Amino acid sequence: NAGVTQTPKFRVLKTGQSMTLLCAQDMNHEYMYWYRQDPGMGLRLIHYSVGEGTTAKGEVPDGYNVSRLKKQNFLLGLESAAPSQTSVYFCASSPLAGGNEQYFGPGTRLTVT
Amino acid sequence: AQTVTQSQPEMSVQEAETVTLSCTYDTSENNYYLFWYKQPPSRQMILVIRQEAYKQQNATENRFSVNFQKAAKSFSLKISDSQLGDTAMYFCAFMKFGYNTDKLIFGTGTRLQVFP
Repeated sequence: NAGVTQTPKFRVLKTGQSMTLLCAQDMNHEYMYWYRQDPGMGLRLIHYSVGEGTTAKGEVPDGYNVSRLKKQNFLLGLESAAPSQTSVYFCASSPLAGGNEQYFGPGTRLTVT
Repeated sequence: AQTVTQSQPEMSVQEAETVTLSCTYDTSENNYYLFWYKQPPSRQMILVIRQEAYKQQNATENRFSVNFQKAAKSFSLKISDSQLGDTAMYFCAFMKFGYNTDKLIFGTGTRLQVFP
């Protein structure tokens, strides 16, 4: 069991470039989430999904898009990267609703110059 | 909107001693969940302990226990017999109860250093 994996682990982008972060989980979890972590702040929810084919906005969704075409994968896209999107991005997954533990990936450090 | 406040940016403790990390939250909900997550230097987020608001009994996991004061909206974490491996950022988090609402709201974290 790999748990939750994220690809890539590190990335440097120039302003205006686009990229996609991939999150994969092998625990057959229904729920998946994307968070960002900035210095001096806790994790903040960007987008989430409660099942295959569904997505919803979180606390800080602007500048990001997501897709959940397969149950095990949750993609986070940046169409036109901005320096304000420099952050560490975490993916997480959990079983059905009920206050369950969220299992986190190792994070992706993204720098936008 | 719910908020989570961790007022101690940094704490330190000597190995084998006990330390308590503070967390307060603001909500109008009656049913919810509270969590403590640990983030060591490896960056991996690891669940430490979980509390259901409707349970009066404080949760305990080995050396980790909480003091949950619902009326005061306080949720502190006590680490007993501190170990060097406990050195990490600790995040308190809130989750509202209900279908399709398993979203975590995190505090800003407390950096804990355990000294030998």
